[in-house]
Amino acid sequence: QVQLQESGPGLVKPSRTLSLTCSVSGGSISSDNYYWSWIRQHPGKGLEWIGYINRSGNTYYNPSLKSRVVISVDTSKNQFSLKVNSVTSADTAVFYCARDPGVNSGLDYWGRGTLVIVSS
Amino acid sequence: SSELTQPPSVPVSPGQTARITCSGDALAKKYANWYQQKPGQAPMLVIYKDTERPSGIPERFSGSSSGTTVTLTISGVQAEDEADYYCQSADSSATFYVFGTGTKVTVL
Repeated sequence: QVQLQESGPGLVKPSRTLSLTCSVSGGSISSDNYYWSWIRQHPGKGLEWIGYINRSGNTYYNPSLKSRVVISVDTSKNQFSLKVNSVTSADTAVFYCARDPGVNSGLDYWGRGTLVIVSS
Repeated sequence: SSELTQPPSVPVSPGQTARITCSGDALAKKYANWYQQKPGQAPMLVIYKDTERPSGIPERFSGSSSGTTVTLTISGVQAEDEADYYCQSADSSATFYVFGTGTKVTVL
């Protein structure tokens, strides 16, 4: 059974960089041909797709966030990561990581999510 | 346009049928996927590629597609189906994903 777990600081100061990691168990990022996504949800709001990465490091980002976001993968640790630069209070959200079989086939496994608050 | 529009709410009585629509130009050429999200929980995939049901999802959940609109149907609604539901698809170039605006299903 594939499991994903987000980790990282729950509080980030404005203008700083938000950094999160998603640890994958029950499957290998390096051997499986999946994409690995980040999604966020502002408090009380809908879902927003941030971007994804595959095992080769190819990335695709939401155009609205592309200038501030970097997603990377560490196959040796079976993890992938998210960085969002120059955060403001508008970046306060629950962040989820998820597995994507690709070709728009649906995000089939999700982490539980982690709340990140941007505040001084 | 890559926007996906859903009705904000769908009320339904137990045992009845709930139909949730999702409209957007991209749906004419791209698959839609549907997620259920209960309070405090992560979303869960309930329908993928318009009509396919993942393993473990009850048969009362079904999906259909027509032109630029896709529909999630919940037949014989149960109290446990009360949740937010989101459609999701890809832009025309399939390089990024977009979620629908979300629909709250309330079981009366």
